[in-house]
Amino acid sequence: AQTVTQSQPEMSVQEAETVTLSCTYDTSESDYYLFWYKQPPSRQMILVIRQEAYKQQNATENRFSVNFQKAAKSFSLKISDSQLGDAAMYFCAYSRGTASKLTFGTGTRLQVTL
Amino acid sequence: DAGVIQSPRHEVTEMGQEVTLRCKPISGHDYLFWYRQTMMRGLELLIYFNNNVPIDDSGMPEDRFSAKMPNASFSTLKIQPSEPRDSAVYFCASSFQAGKDVGNTIYFGEGSWLTVV
Repeated sequence: AQTVTQSQPEMSVQEAETVTLSCTYDTSESDYYLFWYKQPPSRQMILVIRQEAYKQQNATENRFSVNFQKAAKSFSLKISDSQLGDAAMYFCAYSRGTASKLTFGTGTRLQVTL
Repeated sequence: DAGVIQSPRHEVTEMGQEVTLRCKPISGHDYLFWYRQTMMRGLELLIYFNNNVPIDDSGMPEDRFSAKMPNASFSTLKIQPSEPRDSAVYFCASSFQAGKDVGNTIYFGEGSWLTVV
């Protein structure tokens, strides 16, 4: 079975600084997708970024980028120029592909300080 | 474009009452998922449908839970009778199957906060 591990329950970053959230996963599949979702206090699950396993290039979305290390089964999220609105729970998630179900990590709570 | 729409957003009900949660997936999506989020268990998949057909309901906790998808634009999750341990945020999500570069991303609704007292 696939598992997703987020080893940092909480992280803190100062506004305008950069922070990296860690995620590792375990799978025997070669074709899959990885995602980072953001959950603010409103509890809505918001897609931040996604990575296709077959792509070597790391995904980027504005201030958000990932470091995808397929051999190491590592998928970290880097947030640059952190903003107060980035404060939220961040979940790493794995999908085997073709719209199959997501397996989530336990989440990392990110605090952004002035 | 409208996202996944869930109702009600919040519900407080008494133990033993029937609860029905509703979901309208994104138009054109052929997969629909129901997730539950609690402090103790995190995010867990309850059931998912493909083209209105239930594919995997192994996450449905017990017979008190049932889900239907009568058409491509509507699904319900019903709890009867409800119990305090059912208190959680219930998410509906949808996606579409496509080629490798598109699709296959699951989009979530805003969730239904259920409190059973």
